[in-house]
This record gives sequence, C-alpha cells and structure tokens, in this order.
Amino acid sequence: QVQLVESGGGVVQPGGSLRLSCAASGFTFSAYGMHWVRQAPGKGLEWVAFIWYDGSNKYYADSVKGRFTISRDNSKNTLYLQMNSLRAEDTAVFYCAKAPYGIIDYWGQGSLVTVSS
Amino acid sequence: QLVLTQSPSASASLGASVKLTCTLSSGHSSYAIAWHQQQPEKGPRYLMKLNSDGSHSKGDGIPDRFSGSSSGAERYLTISSLQSEDEADYYCQTWGTGEVFGGGTKLTVL
Repeated sequence: QVQLVESGGGVVQPGGSLRLSCAASGFTFSAYGMHWVRQAPGKGLEWVAFIWYDGSNKYYADSVKGRFTISRDNSKNTLYLQMNSLRAEDTAVFYCAKAPYGIIDYWGQGSLVTVSS
Repeated sequence: QLVLTQSPSASASLGASVKLTCTLSSGHSSYAIAWHQQQPEKGPRYLMKLNSDGSHSKGDGIPDRFSGSSSGAERYLTISSLQSEDEADYYCQTWGTGEVFGGGTKLTVL
C-alpha cells in the first residue's frame, strides 16, 4: 500500500532554515510527480511546490519562490523541501502528496513547522 | 488564469444527499480535478479524480455513497445517505497555470 511519511518539522526562528523529507513506499516513486502542500492554522490548503517524476521540472507558489527548493532522490524514494528565510507566515502543517500528472491521489500525514522567536 | 471556485459552506440533514460544486474558470472546462475530504483535526484524504466527461476513479476504501459528475466547467461531488462523519471540508484540486486548490466547502451535517 502507498505510504508517504513526512519528517523534519519543528520549531525554527524567523530567518532560519529547515529541511522536510517525505519517505515514499508502496509504489514506483520515480514514475510520479510529487507536490508539497501546506495548511496554516485554521486556513485552507495551499499549494507550495511540484516536481516532475524525474526532477527535471519544478514549480513554486509565488509565496515561497526564491526561499524554498523542492527536490527528490529517486534512489532513496525520498522527496525533500528545503526551506530558507522562514517567516512567521510559513507556520503550517506541510504535506507531501503523490500526484500523477499533477492530480493528487495520496497524501502523507503531515509535518508541523512552527516559525517563532 | 486557472481558478477553482467553491461555495464556502453547505449543509444537509443526516441521511439526505448533498451536491457540492467546483467551477473551473473560463477556458479550462476540459480539466480533470480531484476531490479531497478533510475531517476535523485530520489530514486530507483523496476521494476521487473526476474527468470532464464525468468519468471518475475513487480512492482506496471510498464508499459508494460518494460519486462525481461533470457538466461543462462544473465538477460535482454528490454524497448520499449523509452520515455524521461526512461533516468535513471538501477541496477540489487540479494542475495547470494558476490555482491548484479551490477555497474549500465546509459541509455541515444537520
């Protein structure tokens, strides 16, 4: 069965950095595009970034462009999100999601990122 | 620019049916979408992928009470025989140039 397990969340000061990981299993990871999606407290789902199956193309929300980097290691079945210059408004639960042709069909359980001094 | 429009709220009685709508912006009526459910204090759950012709493929373990249909730029999620656990936020999602998620519809089961 498909499993997506996020890790790496925590508390970080404004201006700091954090790297999230998403360990994938139960499917051929290298064949599918993947999203990062976040949800701030009490808010709706916000798309963050998308990466093609082979890592050749990456797309970012304007709110994170230039600060966040999505990447993947298909040999390790792992998706990453490097987050730099973090702001209070980046506080959210971050989800990774499997997305054939960009349409999400599985979600991870989420990892909480809190940006606070 | 791709925009997904959902009503902020909906309500229906226990045991009744409800139809939620996601409207694609002009020029995007051929796009497929996905419907996702988020129960209170839980992560999102994939319900189904819905194509422009109304064909749909549901996620693992999604009950038959959940169905999808399409008409032009409208994508519908119908939930029949409403149960208390169907009270949740429902999001439509697609992929293209523009928005990825609709704003969500909060469904209240009366």
